[in-house]
Amino acid sequence: GESVGLHLPTLSVQEGDNSIINCAYSNSASDYFIWYKQESGKGPQFIIDIRSNMDKRQGQRVTVLLNKTVKHLSLQIAATQPGDSAVYFCAENNAYGGSQGNLIFGKGTKLSVKP
Amino acid sequence: GAGVSQSPRYKVAKRGQDVALRCDPISGHVSLFWYQQALGQGPEFLTYFQNEAQLDKSGLPSDRFFAERPEGSVSTLKIQRTQQEDSAVYLCASGRLAGIYNEQFFGPGTRLTVL
Repeated sequence: GESVGLHLPTLSVQEGDNSIINCAYSNSASDYFIWYKQESGKGPQFIIDIRSNMDKRQGQRVTVLLNKTVKHLSLQIAATQPGDSAVYFCAENNAYGGSQGNLIFGKGTKLSVKP
Repeated sequence: GAGVSQSPRYKVAKRGQDVALRCDPISGHVSLFWYQQALGQGPEFLTYFQNEAQLDKSGLPSDRFFAERPEGSVSTLKIQRTQQEDSAVYLCASGRLAGIYNEQFFGPGTRLTVL
């Protein structure tokens, strides 16, 4: 399928290394953040989420860090595998105007894992 | 169990034609979201349903875009008088609970190309 990763920032890592993907979000009033993984030709896949009352949350091989002071979110992937190669998006809830169903996605980072 | 399905997977339309894109969410899921994803970009919110009620349509780009979910399950996104700028992947997602504070499960998307 056609790549969704054209013209995106790219992070290239060696298999087995740790990866860190960064994201700056826009609204200090946002209180919910999610990381998604999107492989070519597929829809985004939920990885991990975090609420603003936390600054760290861990999942299986993944950790999300939230720094509300500088409005920064990061995703750490431990022992990166070739299957982790994809485009990664951060998303925040839309805290403008009382929207109930609105997520704002970032531009995405393409992770490329070299075997 | 089955995930979110979308049909057709690919649609080519001549400028000015009307198109209808279908989303079958996961059975029993309360919330349903439509997003538009341009090449190399993150998904952009279009509209949100809680059961059959369309609670947020703030992302629909023009009155040519219309979405419905009449029985609270299957949803259709209709685009009238398609324009070249409508070319994108249209993603549907569903969630078990209402609102955005729960995991959204995405379908594979419908790639619309307007000639």
